[in-house]
Amino acid sequence: KNEVEQSPQNLTAQEGEFITINCSYSVGISALHWLQQHPGGGIVSLFMLSSGKKKHGRLIATINIQEKHSSLHITASHPRDSAVYICAVVNTGNQFYFGTGTSLTVIP
Amino acid sequence: DAGVIQSPRHEVTEMGQEVTLRCKPISGHDYLFWYRQTMMRGLELLIYFNNNVPIDDSGMPEDRFSAKMPNASFSTLKIQPSEPRDSAVYFCASSFTQGNYGYTFGSGTRLTVV
Repeated sequence: KNEVEQSPQNLTAQEGEFITINCSYSVGISALHWLQQHPGGGIVSLFMLSSGKKKHGRLIATINIQEKHSSLHITASHPRDSAVYICAVVNTGNQFYFGTGTSLTVIP
Repeated sequence: DAGVIQSPRHEVTEMGQEVTLRCKPISGHDYLFWYRQTMMRGLELLIYFNNNVPIDDSGMPEDRFSAKMPNASFSTLKIQPSEPRDSAVYFCASSFTQGNYGYTFGSGTRLTVV
């Protein structure tokens, strides 16, 4: 059983579309992270959330602690957003769990 | 700052050899993490340090793996002896206050054990 489940696994969108990636988890957490892994392999930390919502440019991340669910939204998607997006949670015992990632392809 | 620096970028070694991966975190960051990524298992946390002290090494697969952080600017991950199933990309990341402000990842070391 995976402590972190992401959906969808793969997503293809047209440039300009609004995109949502979902993350559900089963453990009590102290924090949730969204990571972006570029096709070249580099990993970038996008957000750390423990409650509410954060926004950075065209990216918005939300978390609902009661429902154990987080979403990553991309507005006005662009081909350079094509990447694998990984959800990671840190439980209250400081253990890390990772989702398997959502592979996003944005077509011009 | 040049970011988190890992070396080497690529390593090919024969089964049974010792492998040492190196990481230089961002100056001022007090947490350092070692991750492994494979197609089969995805991203896994191996070990992390706070102020040079190992905090949680429960992700280290077995005794063949060891990690050290002799000072705030340097860490090593050693595999001895290496096995083909250790082939993976190993990432190092650092953060300030356990990621409250996000993590900075290195470019990774792609290890191939033949």
